[in-house]
Amino acid sequence: NAGVTQTPKFQVLKTGQSMTLQCAQDMNHEYMSWYRQDPGMGLRLIHYSVGAGITDQGEVPNGYNVSRSTTEDFPLRLLSAAPSQTSVYFCASSSLRLAGYHYGYTFGSGTRLTVV
Amino acid sequence: LAKTTQPISMDSYEGQEVNITCSHNNIATNDYITWYQQFPSQGPRFIIQGYKTKVTNEVASLFIPADRKSSTLSLPRVSLSDTAVYYCLVGALNRDDKIIFGKGTRLHILP
Repeated sequence: NAGVTQTPKFQVLKTGQSMTLQCAQDMNHEYMSWYRQDPGMGLRLIHYSVGAGITDQGEVPNGYNVSRSTTEDFPLRLLSAAPSQTSVYFCASSSLRLAGYHYGYTFGSGTRLTVV
Repeated sequence: LAKTTQPISMDSYEGQEVNITCSHNNIATNDYITWYQQFPSQGPRFIIQGYKTKVTNEVASLFIPADRKSSTLSLPRVSLSDTAVYYCLVGALNRDDKIIFGKGTRLHILP
């Protein structure tokens, strides 16, 4: 049981480049999210999804796209990287209780992205 | 999600019990209270979740008074390895809810 797998673990991009951060979970979780965490800060929500084919914006969506074509995968795309997107990115997933309440998130180990 | 207020940082010593309180005055009837722990360079880890009274697991206890306007995470006999950031989240977490983290409480355990 791998849980939530994020790739790559480290990445350096040049300003203006695009890339996709991968996130996959094997727990059949309906709910998946992407967060970014800057030094000394809490986590800020970028995008989230409540199921395949459904995505929505979080607190800081600008400059990022997501899609959810399967339950397992939730990739995050940086369209044109900027130094302000230097951060650690975490993907998380959660099951939904019968009443629709989350039992609790499972987080991936993160992707450390540097944009120069 | 309901707004939460928790201390920015706390210090304690090994072997002591640590209590971190979270205030959530506008908690709604359907809201749950969830705590996460984050070590440096790792993603947060779910610790405990509760609705009312007391919940205990192998890691921590969660105390919720009758009015549910606050909650206390209790860590028994802490060790240096409990040094981490602890986040309190409150919300009904329905299907379409955003899950927003605050800045959390930085707990520093001293030898």
